[in-house]
Amino acid sequence: DQQVKQNSPSLSVQEGRISILNCDYTNSMFDYFLWYKKYPAEGPTFLISISSIKDKNEDGRFTVFLNKSAKHLSLHIVPSQPGDSAVYFCAAPPGGTSYGKLTFGQGTILTVHP
Amino acid sequence: DAGVTQSPTHLIKTRGQQVTLRCSPKSGHDTVSWYQQALGQGPQFIFQYYEEEERQRGNFPDRFSGHQFPNYSSELNVNALLLGDSALYLCASRIVAGGDEQFFGPGTRLTVL
Repeated sequence: DQQVKQNSPSLSVQEGRISILNCDYTNSMFDYFLWYKKYPAEGPTFLISISSIKDKNEDGRFTVFLNKSAKHLSLHIVPSQPGDSAVYFCAAPPGGTSYGKLTFGQGTILTVHP
Repeated sequence: DAGVTQSPTHLIKTRGQQVTLRCSPKSGHDTVSWYQQALGQGPQFIFQYYEEEERQRGNFPDRFSGHQFPNYSSELNVNALLLGDSALYLCASRIVAGGDEQFFGPGTRLTVL
């Protein structure tokens, strides 16, 4: 049972435009979500997070939106830059006390063309 | 400040063999988790160690075992290797009293032939 799903394996955008990466979840107990970015030959690095008490969190060019009723979150990157080309994962810890066990989506490969 | 380090970078084994992967957490971190990332998939949680004990375990067989040392470093052991164990193995560390953000190492690429 894939509790966190990223249904788009890849996304290609032009530099300067908006990138929108989507993530759906099925577990209603999830109350906190994280986005990680991964470059080849490197481990995932934390990008931005959102708690279920919010519907939006912004950090510079990165904004995450959460729609709890739809069990859907999205990551917006504006403006996109070639250095943003990477694999993006959404992830969620178990509800309540997490102890750090994260459930990841399959990832979306973002390519930003100059 | 060194981040999470893992060794070795790459490893090739044959079916039935045993392997040990090593991880040093980020300075100040006391909790280590291990993840398996198969090609084209997201990382899957194997287990987590805190205070030298396994605290949580994902859906992995007993062939996967681990250890945490007093200096918080950790080992992942896999016995009786199968072809399907070929993957990138990621170690992540955090402070147990901190949030859910985990810091990942670059991983060990294991190939089982």
